[in-house]
Amino acid sequence: SQQGEEDPQALSIQEGENATMNCSYKTSINNLQWYRQNSGRGLVHLILIRSNEREKHSGRLRVTLDTSKKSSSLLITASRAADTASYFCATDANDYKLSFGAGTTVTVRA
Amino acid sequence: EAQVTQNPRYLITVTGKKLTVTCSQNMNHEYMSWYRQDPGLGLRQIYYSMNVEVTDKGDVPEGYKVSRKEKRNFPLILESPSPNQTSLYFCASSSFPGRVYEQYFGPGTRLTVT
Repeated sequence: SQQGEEDPQALSIQEGENATMNCSYKTSINNLQWYRQNSGRGLVHLILIRSNEREKHSGRLRVTLDTSKKSSSLLITASRAADTASYFCATDANDYKLSFGAGTTVTVRA
Repeated sequence: EAQVTQNPRYLITVTGKKLTVTCSQNMNHEYMSWYRQDPGLGLRQIYYSMNVEVTDKGDVPEGYKVSRKEKRNFPLILESPSPNQTSLYFCASSSFPGRVYEQYFGPGTRLTVT
């Protein structure tokens, strides 16, 4: 069953703006990961945040995790055309499986 | 170069004709997994393997088989494909220190069953 659900389903922003997407999940987790997928290609790992962490940064990416609300957010700052992609959250719920959400499609307009 | 390879990349077949999609990784990863991706449903896990000869069902295992005889290979077998197995399939691998960490994905196999 799908653990994570991303919100919004789709997002359109101007180049240079920030993009924020959210992920909610249902059960306790060991870690939460974010992936990017460019049109029909394989997913690429962006960042992993452990259940005992609240915030993590990687370049223009900022991820937060609120385990009390069972939610996470991914912020992409100063977006570029190359950030146009689908973004997925995935959770490791201590069951040796990684459960993905349906994704957020981000379009960055020039 | 560290990578996960899948073959074939595209496959059109007919209902009932057995097929195998191969997956190989060169990173000495313990954990390997198969996913299918369908519009609006995201990725759903089919089977996973935590090491050689250790496999388990994911969320949508019906109609699929896997084997893990070697650490680097994890083939996906469709014994009798049906049209509802038309999908985009991804193989992935990761190290596995007891937890599922960063997954490396293959390029995908687009399967059409008519």
